[in-house]
Amino acid sequence: AQSVTQPDIHITVSEGASLELRCNYSYGATPYLFWYVQSPGQGLQLLLKYFSGDTLVQGIKGFEAEFKRSQSSFNLRKPSVHWSDAAEYFCAVGSLIKAAGNKLTFGGGTRVLVKP
Amino acid sequence: KAGVTQTPRYLIKTRGQQVTLSCSPISGHRSVSWYQQTPGQGLQFLFEYFSETQRNKGNFPGRFSGRQFSNSRSEMNVSTLELGDSALYLCASSLVAEMNTEAFFGQGTRLTVV
Repeated sequence: AQSVTQPDIHITVSEGASLELRCNYSYGATPYLFWYVQSPGQGLQLLLKYFSGDTLVQGIKGFEAEFKRSQSSFNLRKPSVHWSDAAEYFCAVGSLIKAAGNKLTFGGGTRVLVKP
Repeated sequence: KAGVTQTPRYLIKTRGQQVTLSCSPISGHRSVSWYQQTPGQGLQFLFEYFSETQRNKGNFPGRFSGRQFSNSRSEMNVSTLELGDSALYLCASSLVAEMNTEAFFGQGTRLTVV
């Protein structure tokens, strides 16, 4: 069964500092990979996705993620954090199997706090 | 264009009751998925509907059910509510269900069971 691990439950970062959120997945092959962000009381917004090709993926709001097959990782990065980036971030995988449709398996999430 | 609309936003129910939540997907989207989000279990897949047919189902008891209408709107129903059903229920719509295309999430329905 596929699974996603986000090792860091909470991360506190100063405004202007860089941010890296870790994501490791377990899957039989390279799955579809996603990062979502959730602000308090809100739904999920897609930051970026990896389906194939270039392993460095650019997303919205200045985020990027790097897929490393050898490490089964898909870490999210941002060079300079803004106070508005305080939120919860979720890594997710989707299956390549057609029958699985749009089912996403999510990691436990990482809550990011931004210090002024 | 309008996003995914979930109604109601908040709901308080008593144990043993049943509840119906509604999701209107983005216009033209034919796939609707439902997720349950709780502090303890995180985000868990409930089921996906495409063209009025359930495509996939997660590991939830039969008390959780859903359906999709011809206009792609979807409802999920939870019968015989338990305290543990208190959660944020999120709906996601996608254009198709044959592959993983982008899923757009609604703001969710916050269900509290007392």
